Amino acid sequence: QSVLTQPPSVSAAPGQKVTISCSGSSSNIGNNYVSWYQQLPGTAPKLLIYDNDKRPSGIPDRFSGSRSGTSATLGITGLQPGDEADYYCGTWDSSLSAGHVFGTGTKVTVL
Amino acid sequence: QVQLQESGPGLVKPSQTLSLTCTFSGGSISRGGHYWNWIRQHPGRGLEWIGYVFYSGTTYYNESLKSRIVISVDTTKNQFSLKMRSVTTADTAVYFCARQSSSSSWLDLWGQGTLVTVSS
Repeated sequence: QSVLTQPPSVSAAPGQKVTISCSGSSSNIGNNYVSWYQQLPGTAPKLLIYDNDKRPSGIPDRFSGSRSGTSATLGITGLQPGDEADYYCGTWDSSLSAGHVFGTGTKVTVL
Repeated sequence: QVQLQESGPGLVKPSQTLSLTCTFSGGSISRGGHYWNWIRQHPGRGLEWIGYVFYSGTTYYNESLKSRIVISVDTTKNQFSLKMRSVTTADTAVYFCARQSSSSSWLDLWGQGTLVTVSS
């Protein structure tokens, strides 16, 4: 069902940096804003990044987002044990089957 | 405190209708400025958008589900609802309600989610 592709998992030691890619197409990422969500185990997703690179109030600047063409990237610096979660990208798809689309999800493991 | 809360049966029999309600507190749905979404997550899987409703009653649905769903809003109760008919075991999932800015696509407020199991 997911039309946005993410790596299944990434990992790094505490304090290190990870990046998560999100690949789409011209009907979604290429022409619409991207958002990122963090889902801790057993909880609802939480908005981390909106409009490609903006952080909601309360989200630390260790989290950053960017978009280039039909791909987007989430970066997490100064990795902490509490960052261990699933991360999803999301955007609007403007194709014939328009609607919200989400990425396949990436599990971040803090080694 | 602004929050969303899902409610409804946790168990539905195959071929029956799934009915869920989401209550918004700490604000007013009728104020406008947001779309009110339903999203689900199959066990161990990713997120699937179901559809949204505006305070006026305008709706927009996932094409793959639109033949079976109705999303409605009751501004007097500050609630919006999902009805999905003819459910099968493939509809077993955690169902989330979420608020979306009408000026963009980001979902800034989510309910805690409710597990709906389809089983006889």
